[in-house]
Amino acid sequence: GENVEQHPSTLSVQEGDSAVIKCTYSDSASNYFPWYKQELGKRPQLIIDIRSNVGEKKDQRIAVTLNKTAKHFSLHITETQPEDSAVYFCAASRDSSASKIIFGSGTRLSIRP
Amino acid sequence: KAGVTQTPRYLIKTRGQQVTLSCSPISGHRSVSWYQQTPGQGLQFLFEYFSETQRNKGNFPGRFSGRQFSNSRSEMNVSTLELGDSALYLCASSQGQGVYEQYFGPGTRLTVT
Repeated sequence: GENVEQHPSTLSVQEGDSAVIKCTYSDSASNYFPWYKQELGKRPQLIIDIRSNVGEKKDQRIAVTLNKTAKHFSLHITETQPEDSAVYFCAASRDSSASKIIFGSGTRLSIRP
Repeated sequence: KAGVTQTPRYLIKTRGQQVTLSCSPISGHRSVSWYQQTPGQGLQFLFEYFSETQRNKGNFPGRFSGRQFSNSRSEMNVSTLELGDSALYLCASSQGQGVYEQYFGPGTRLTVT
């Protein structure tokens, strides 16, 4: 079946440095790629998303890049802060239907002071 | 606007019992999706509802069922509980159909003993 691979599973960076999380998807028909942040014991929150007709999208310290040819997309967090510590999930969806969304396994990001 | 709410937040049941979980979407949102989150399987799609109609169902046994009411509130029911049903059950709502810009509730932590 279709899947989304997410790497790394854990990531520790110094406060102020950048963090990059990568995802690879198998369904070439995927056209919507959201990223969610889930703090310990809290709900997943949509932090940024990108559609297949766009190569890059930025929102303040967060950016996502998409390479459709290689079928991978990445989350970039610059100037990391302690509150960025959380589990980050990528996902890929073929269309708007929730039945088509596949989530990555998550990356636990820790920010060292 | 108030966020997505789920009740109850925590639930402990024994094998063989049944359980009903409730989800109230953000006001004005007509789409509700349900997901199961476990450490081993990650986030997996359960159901998707839009305007009281089930659009899709994930690859779960018939013991898992759900519905959506005219006010967009949704319930899911699990009958004949098994130990493997222990998980965090998340619902998410969106204004239009499906997963675009969906907002998650805090989840119901179900423990089956």
